[in-house]
Amino acid sequence: DTAVSQTPKYLVTQMGNDKSIKCEQNLGHDTMYWYKQDSKKFLKIMFSYNNKELIINETVPNRFSPKSPDKAHLNLHINSLELGDSAVYFCASSHLGAANEKLFFGSGTQLSVL
Amino acid sequence: GDSVTQMEGPVTLSEEAFLTINCTYTATGYPSLFWYVQYPGEGLQLLLKATKADDKGSNKGFEATYRKETTSFHLEKGSVQVSDSAVYFCALRTLTGGGNKLTFGTGTQLKVEL
Repeated sequence: DTAVSQTPKYLVTQMGNDKSIKCEQNLGHDTMYWYKQDSKKFLKIMFSYNNKELIINETVPNRFSPKSPDKAHLNLHINSLELGDSAVYFCASSHLGAANEKLFFGSGTQLSVL
Repeated sequence: GDSVTQMEGPVTLSEEAFLTINCTYTATGYPSLFWYVQYPGEGLQLLLKATKADDKGSNKGFEATYRKETTSFHLEKGSVQVSDSAVYFCALRTLTGGGNKLTFGTGTQLKVEL
């Protein structure tokens, strides 16, 4: 069974469109994250939710809106897509707990904005 | 703020060569330190971790020692294999008021050739 699954794996769309990426984890974790990986492989956290509550919100444009219907799901909706949004988006989960808790990552969604 | 600096890649080695990937960090408080590995087309996986000074993390022949005096967590392996080809990320994690987040370095690509 896949621990952290995100869909779709690939997403190609036009500028100005609105799109969503879904993420689900079956590990019983209470915290979920979205990370963005750019073309140079640099990874940066975007959001984190703990028990459906937003706890980390980095400097991300308002066009990005995370939604957590329950603690096993964290979806990412992006409005008015721009060329610079092209990247690989990774969902992850963990227990909030101690700082040595490891993150479990999904396999990524490659977003290409044309 | 917290930051992680890794050596630039790509690093190209012959099979059975010795590997070192340098990592230094800046953090307030006492971070936990991690190495994650990303194989092509996959999400990140935890490779090893260390939670306090002088701890040594090890896994699959890889090792890294938490050096507080030099704020470093260099990754080493005595004899690399072709299957070790991947991107390696150094990361730190500290507890913050609103939760804990993982701060990544820029990643170092390793290519191992026969």
